[in-house]
Parts: sequence; structure tokens; C-alpha cells
Amino acid sequence: GAVVSQHPSRVICKSGTSVKIECRSLDFQATTMFWYRQFPKQSLMLMATSNEGSKATYEQGVEKDKFLINHASLTLSTLTVTSAHPEDSSFYICSAPTGLWDQPQHFGDGTRLSIL
Amino acid sequence: GENVEQHPSTLSVQEGDSAVIKCTYSDSASNYFPWYKQELGKRPQLIIDIRSNVGEKKDQRIAVTLNKTAKHFSLHITETQPEDSAVYFCAASSNYQLIWGAGTKLIIKP
Repeated sequence: GAVVSQHPSRVICKSGTSVKIECRSLDFQATTMFWYRQFPKQSLMLMATSNEGSKATYEQGVEKDKFLINHASLTLSTLTVTSAHPEDSSFYICSAPTGLWDQPQHFGDGTRLSIL
Repeated sequence: GENVEQHPSTLSVQEGDSAVIKCTYSDSASNYFPWYKQELGKRPQLIIDIRSNVGEKKDQRIAVTLNKTAKHFSLHITETQPEDSAVYFCAASSNYQLIWGAGTKLIIKP
């Protein structure tokens, strides 16, 4: 079945570092990718929607200059957390629809980001 | 904006009993309603979904009901087992974008 590969699975780095997270669709073309952030004991919060070949759409309150999204190909979308700080520590996860609106989306395994 | 409310936030049931989680949504255009199970540190996994033209769907011990008029849908798990312990999320969608409930932590007591 359709698979979304997300890397890295875990990152621990110092404050001020920029971190890039990749999501690849392995056997389908992902024209759209959703990026979520999930804090402990909370629900998934949509950060932005990336579309291949165009600018991402950010949700209200999400800084586009801090969370850079690139979706340059039909199989790869990246999220870069720039100048990360401890408050950016969270679980980041991507998902991609594979067909019509009423078909299940496919999630990456998530990235646990810890900023020291 | 669109909103999905989910209750209860925590549900503790005896092993073998049934568990019911309820969600209501605000966007009348929503027409796809998936349920996800998420274990600690893992990605959400789809356990069942229902579309707006269907009132009920069942898959072994799991069932979902949808009342479009009242804009609510429910997850039913029968004969609960220890491996059912997890956080469950409902979601509603009208055009790919999922609106998520806050989640229910299901605890199965031995």
C-alpha cells in the first residue's frame, strides 16, 4: 500500500540549530502534504499545507519564516525548523492524501524533535 | 471556524466491556469521518472510517455510527482487550483537510 517515509525519526540538537525534516511518498505522487505538530497529550495541530510547485499555505499563528516548507517534487516535501528553540520541541508528522477526498491519508512515522 | 469536539477525554473500561467515544462537528459540509488510534510515540493509524452517505459501518469489534442531522458520530469498541489501550482521535473532513478532535485516552483495566 501507499507509504510515506519520514526522516529523521528523532533529532536532539542545541538551541539555534536549524533542522530539516523530510517526507517522501514512496509509491505514489503526493501533490499535497500536510504538516502537523503534536505536543504531549494533545491532538495533531495542522501547521501548513504544502503543494507541489507552489507556496505552502500556513495556518493562523504559524510563522512561515520559522517553519520553511518546500515541496519541489511530487514525491518530496520538507519542513525546516529554523533557529530552533526549546519551545519548538515537539512531535512533527506529515501526511499525504493518495486519492479522492474520502480516502484515507497516509502518515509518516513522525519526527521527535528535542531542542536543548 | 470548523471544530470537532470529542468526549470523553479519558475512558477507563473493564477488559471485555464496550467503549464508546463520541464526536460532534460544526461544518455541515464535512462528509468523511475517520477514526485513528495512536500509541505513544507512534503515528496515528486509521482504524475505521465512514462517509456521509452511510449511517453505520462495522469491522469486527469496531463500529462507527454517523448522524448527519445532529452532526455527530461515535466509535464503538466491543469486547475490549488490553491492546485496545491507546489514544483515539476522531476527525472530520470536507476537502482533504482533516479537522481533529482532542483525543480520548482509552484505558483497559485487566
